[in-house]
Amino acid sequence: ETGVTQSPTHLIKTRGQQVTLRCSSQSGHNTVSWYQQALGQGPQFIFQYYREEENGRGNFPPRFSGLQFPNYSSELNVNALELDDSALYLCASSSGTGYNEQFFGPGTRLTVL
Amino acid sequence: QQPVQSPQAVILREGEDAVINCSSSKALYSVHWYRQKHGEAPVFLMILLKGGEQKGHDKISASFNEKKQQSSLYLTASQLSYSGTYFCGTEKDTGTASKLTFGTGTRLQVTL
Repeated sequence: ETGVTQSPTHLIKTRGQQVTLRCSSQSGHNTVSWYQQALGQGPQFIFQYYREEENGRGNFPPRFSGLQFPNYSSELNVNALELDDSALYLCASSSGTGYNEQFFGPGTRLTVL
Repeated sequence: QQPVQSPQAVILREGEDAVINCSSSKALYSVHWYRQKHGEAPVFLMILLKGGEQKGHDKISASFNEKKQQSSLYLTASQLSYSGTYFCGTEKDTGTASKLTFGTGTRLQVTL
């Protein structure tokens, strides 16, 4: 059974640029949630995808967008990067949208200069 | 609204016990507990559901007081490997699960 994987591991961008982060869900999981974790803080929910549809969104602006593919892998896109976007971006996969455990990937560390 | 965890930090000697609390102002359906070591992803420990169902590790226990919207994580006979930051994540009772709202975190350090 393959766990949740994310790419890239680290990324450095400049303000105003765009970035795409990728996540492969754990085998058998059809739901992917994305979180932003600033240094010293708990993860903050960005949005969730279930069977290729957005299924809930946190308090993030529209420049944060996502996709889920037929194989349940997912992308997080951030446009017009700001300095405050610097954070660890985590994706978590789970089975269904019920109250189930979520398994996290190792994260992508994004630095915006 | 973000759940509040207490204590913020705790230092234990190996073999000692600890309790970490998580409190929310919203009606909850579930509470999830995770441990995160520095530079690593959060690792699932336990989920407690309204109505009493629990899923998680055998060696870690937790409670969920639905009326008070509070949960506690009990770490007994602590080991060095228990060190890390513990987060509770809560889900509101909306009928459908949509997101986890994570708490402020409790930093636990176990020493020899």
